[in-house]
Amino acid sequence: AQKITQTQPGMFVQEKEAVTLDCTYDTSDPSYGLFWYKQPSSGEMIFLIYQGSYDQQNATEGRYSLNFQKARKSANLVISASQLGDSAMYFCAMREGLSNDYKLSFGAGTTVTVRA
Amino acid sequence: KAGVTQTPRYLIKTRGQQVTLSCSPISGHRSVSWYQQTPGQGLQFLFEYFSETQRNKGNFPGRFSGRQFSNSRSEMNVSTLELGDSALYLCASSLEGERYGYTFGSGTRLTVV
Repeated sequence: AQKITQTQPGMFVQEKEAVTLDCTYDTSDPSYGLFWYKQPSSGEMIFLIYQGSYDQQNATEGRYSLNFQKARKSANLVISASQLGDSAMYFCAMREGLSNDYKLSFGAGTTVTVRA
Repeated sequence: KAGVTQTPRYLIKTRGQQVTLSCSPISGHRSVSWYQQTPGQGLQFLFEYFSETQRNKGNFPGRFSGRQFSNSRSEMNVSTLELGDSALYLCASSLEGERYGYTFGSGTRLTVV
């Protein structure tokens, strides 16, 4: 079964607007972490934001925020005030069993294109 | 501070050959993971090493192997290359602890012809 589902293969967003990237996950482990990464065309995966399953507050990092809805098993990424440099592939990932498992399961990714 | 360094960046090999890819983690990071990225299968976990020990292994054939040295540098080896092994191979390093994101290298793009 797919652990991470990203249903939006591609999105276009106007510069300076906000964009929401969807991510749903599947796990029976009560202890897990959710990550978002950005992958520009150069190939490097850039860590954006992290949300732990026990975190009470939604994570925020600058223009990135994570809308964590635990009961719905969703962890959507919101990018505010989009910039041309935000054009890239975005991946949602999960790590289960945080105490001793360092494996990340990735979604298929969403390509974001920011238009001027 | 230096990031995760992967060498080489690009590689072209022939079917049946073997290849070794290298990854130098961020100083102080003892966990090193490897991932394969292809258009068809996406990002898939290969294995993870900590203090020279393999802690986790993904669902890949035995042709894929790895190791970690005492300085935390890691290598992965693929023997008897197949066309389907063409991919971007990404290495990531991490500090211990759940809150730390994994820092990825720029990857090695392997093409098997």
